Amino acid sequence: NAGVTQTPKFRVLKTGQSMTLLCAQDMNHEYMYWYRQDPGMGLRLIHYSVGEGTTAKGEVPDGYNVSRLKKQNFLLGLESAAPSQTSVYFCASSVDGSEQYFGPGTRLTVT
Amino acid sequence: SQQGEEDPQALSIQEGENATMNCSYKTSINNLQWYRQNSGRGLVHLILIRSNEREKHSGRLRVTLDTSKKSSSLLITASRAADTASYFCATVPPGDYKLSFGAGTTVTVRA
Repeated sequence: NAGVTQTPKFRVLKTGQSMTLLCAQDMNHEYMYWYRQDPGMGLRLIHYSVGEGTTAKGEVPDGYNVSRLKKQNFLLGLESAAPSQTSVYFCASSVDGSEQYFGPGTRLTVT
Repeated sequence: SQQGEEDPQALSIQEGENATMNCSYKTSINNLQWYRQNSGRGLVHLILIRSNEREKHSGRLRVTLDTSKKSSSLLITASRAADTASYFCATVPPGDYKLSFGAGTTVTVRA
């Protein structure tokens, strides 16, 4: 099992550009989450999904959109990137909303 | 907003010593979890303790929970260089499935 994978691992964007981060899990988990981690802070929840076709806002959803068309994939989109979105993004999945399994992260820089 | 706060922010110990870190939180919980993050990597789940439990062990890890004080502690016994990492507590409110993370404790184990 690969667990939770994220692509890409690194990305540099110019302000105003758009991109999509892909998260995939092969554990048949219902719950999936997108977080961002900034220096000196813990993880903050951006969006989450409790099953295929469902999404919901987390703590810091502004500037991001998500989609969960397939159970195994959870996509995070940035429509118009801003320097404040420079961060490390982590995806996680969970079978029942308790213990979460994390991907390796995507380091995004917006210039 | 971050629910949990870890203390201390940073900890440096000698190999073989014990490391203790604390987590305080603000509202009632269903469970509290501890995660480890090695530099540049994703988070790894260490242990989950439910609100009706007071202590839990896993290998060299011991977690306590005091719901009356809204606090938890993580003890790592006989530390090793490989324990060098950041440790995060995360809480789950009753009836919820979203984690709320603290800012973490950075532990350095000196050889």
